[in-house]
Amino acid sequence: DVKVTQSSRYLVKRTGEKVFLECVQDMDHENMFWYRQDPGLGLRLIYFSYDVKMKEKGDIPEGYSVSREKKERFSLILESASTNQTSMYLCASRGDRDEQYFGPGTRLTVT
Amino acid sequence: QKEVEQNSGPLSVPEGAIASLNCTYSDRGSQSFFWYRQYSGKSPELIMSIYSNGDKEDGRFTAQLNKASQYVSLLIRDSQPSDSATYLCAGGPNSGGSNYKLTFGKGTLLTVNP
Repeated sequence: DVKVTQSSRYLVKRTGEKVFLECVQDMDHENMFWYRQDPGLGLRLIYFSYDVKMKEKGDIPEGYSVSREKKERFSLILESASTNQTSMYLCASRGDRDEQYFGPGTRLTVT
Repeated sequence: QKEVEQNSGPLSVPEGAIASLNCTYSDRGSQSFFWYRQYSGKSPELIMSIYSNGDKEDGRFTAQLNKASQYVSLLIRDSQPSDSATYLCAGGPNSGGSNYKLTFGKGTLLTVNP
């Protein structure tokens, strides 16, 4: 079974803090993704990566950065958290037939 | 702009009925389609994938793809209360590109009433 794990299920941070969200997959997948999900807006792609140290902007990259130093790990960084970044953050990896497998999600609250 | 549109719902069906979820997509280059189930507060879970025209059955679930009409559907037979969830439709282009990504619909909320 594919397993995608995320470092935290719930996180509360203060405005202006630097926030790290980590994602690990155990299937040697090349492509990994970070989404945020908000009511009424659906899943929105923040960044994705197709190889170590390679990254591409998604639809809403502003205020975020990413890091992929190892194939199995993809990190999302909020450089200076703001209240409008309160959301559910979902990591996914791409399987052999283009399907995506999601981690359990991190519900981030910025106060 | 590639789009995937789903009935916004909510869709309510009685237990034992067939639930029909529909999805249309704008990108004719889309080749791969997926249905995800998402329970409230949880992450999306892949339940069906379909790549060619026609029907694909897996237990109580049947996915249908019509590329000419740019239409994908999911049928759930003998619906159970445990099927109550939001269902997401997603489509993607031909595989092979390093920048491959899926386009997701906003989801349809299904409620199965006992």
